[in-house]
Amino acid sequence: DAGVIQSPRHEVTEMGQEVTLRCKPISGHDYLFWYRQTMMRGLELLIYFNNNVPIDDSGMPEDRFSAKMPNASFSTLKIQPSEPRDSAVYFCASGSAGPYGYTFGSGTRLTVV
Amino acid sequence: DQQVKQNSPSLSVQEGRISILNCDYTNSMFDYFLWYKKYPAEGPTFLISISSIKDKNEDGRFTVFLNKSAKHLSLHIVPSQPGDSAVYFCAALTSGHDMRFGAGTRLTVKP
Repeated sequence: DAGVIQSPRHEVTEMGQEVTLRCKPISGHDYLFWYRQTMMRGLELLIYFNNNVPIDDSGMPEDRFSAKMPNASFSTLKIQPSEPRDSAVYFCASGSAGPYGYTFGSGTRLTVV
Repeated sequence: DQQVKQNSPSLSVQEGRISILNCDYTNSMFDYFLWYKKYPAEGPTFLISISSIKDKNEDGRFTVFLNKSAKHLSLHIVPSQPGDSAVYFCAALTSGHDMRFGAGTRLTVKP
């Protein structure tokens, strides 16, 4: 298994532009998570899905952020419009039912200038 | 709202000695605790976990201790190796899947 795959690895965009981050979870995992890592706040949970359905999006910082999971093998996190304070590393993780460790992707480093 | 806290941003130990990483939490509803290890430019990887009904879990060189009354857990690495140098995150779960992370501790193991 190739693990959780995120794209792109790096993204540099100008303030005001739309940014879309992509994630392919591990096949068979029914939970998918989006996290953001910053120096100030560490790893924050933004949203998670179970069987493609959003369960908790209370961590999404503002309406500029949206996430979708159209099928079991793909999810997107979109920021529109992007702002410099959105600069961070965004991680996607997937897992199965049960309190076990989740598998993280390598992350997307987003820089908004 | 930092429900999981790692108050030491960094720790440096000599190869062969014990590394002790600490974590405190505030939410008494957490019933599962995990440690993740992260290398630069990679995602966190699961290391070891412990259920709230236990006070110790061991896996090779790694042992996690849980003190529920103090809302404190620790990760012991014995003996420490240079390859253990990484950022270690403490995480906690309630019965759901909302996993909360600490800010991380950067461990450096010197040869």
